[in-house]
Amino acid sequence: AQTVTQSQPEMSVQEAETVTLSCTYDTSESDYYLFWYKQPPSRQMILVIRQEAYKQQNATENRFSVNFQKAAKSFSLKISDSQLGDAAMYFCASNTGNQFYFGTGTSLTVIP
Amino acid sequence: EAGVAQSPRYKIIEKRQSVAFWCNPISGHATLYWYQQILGQGPKLLIQFQNNGVVDDSQLPKDRFSAERLKGVDSTLKIQPAKLEDSAVYLCASSLARMGSLPYEQYFGPGTRLTVT
Repeated sequence: AQTVTQSQPEMSVQEAETVTLSCTYDTSESDYYLFWYKQPPSRQMILVIRQEAYKQQNATENRFSVNFQKAAKSFSLKISDSQLGDAAMYFCASNTGNQFYFGTGTSLTVIP
Repeated sequence: EAGVAQSPRYKIIEKRQSVAFWCNPISGHATLYWYQQILGQGPKLLIQFQNNGVVDDSQLPKDRFSAERLKGVDSTLKIQPAKLEDSAVYLCASSLARMGSLPYEQYFGPGTRLTVT
């Protein structure tokens, strides 16, 4: 089974600044995918960004980018130019075939 | 495109009572998931359907939880009898079946918040 660890229960960032959320995972699989999901207070979980493990290039989606370190099994999320709407719970998740495993989440506060 | 629908949004019951949740996935999505999300934790997969067949129910407490997806579209999750520790948000998600090497994205519903007293 895979495990996903998010060691930062809470983070805060000043509006317009940059913040990095950490995630580590453990898997014995060679083929897997990694995701960051955002869950605002309304509780609708939405996908922020995805990374295929076989790709060396870090995924980027507008202000969101990842630092994928496969050997270290690390998958951090960087949010640039933070906005008030970025405030939410962020979950790191891994996927192998049919199974999804989620971390415990990081609560991000954006300070105006 | 309509999203994943869930009802009810909130439910309060007493322990030992029964409760059912309903989920309607995005049209065309063959895979449907039920997750339990306890406050302060990440979602935990309870059961996964591919069309109307169960792919994985290894973490479903089968003595009290049951789920079905009879026609391969909408699904119900039932708890009977409920315990205090079942208080959580129950999330439904759906996705297209995986094709080739492309990852598939899960689309989540708004969830049902269950409180067992």
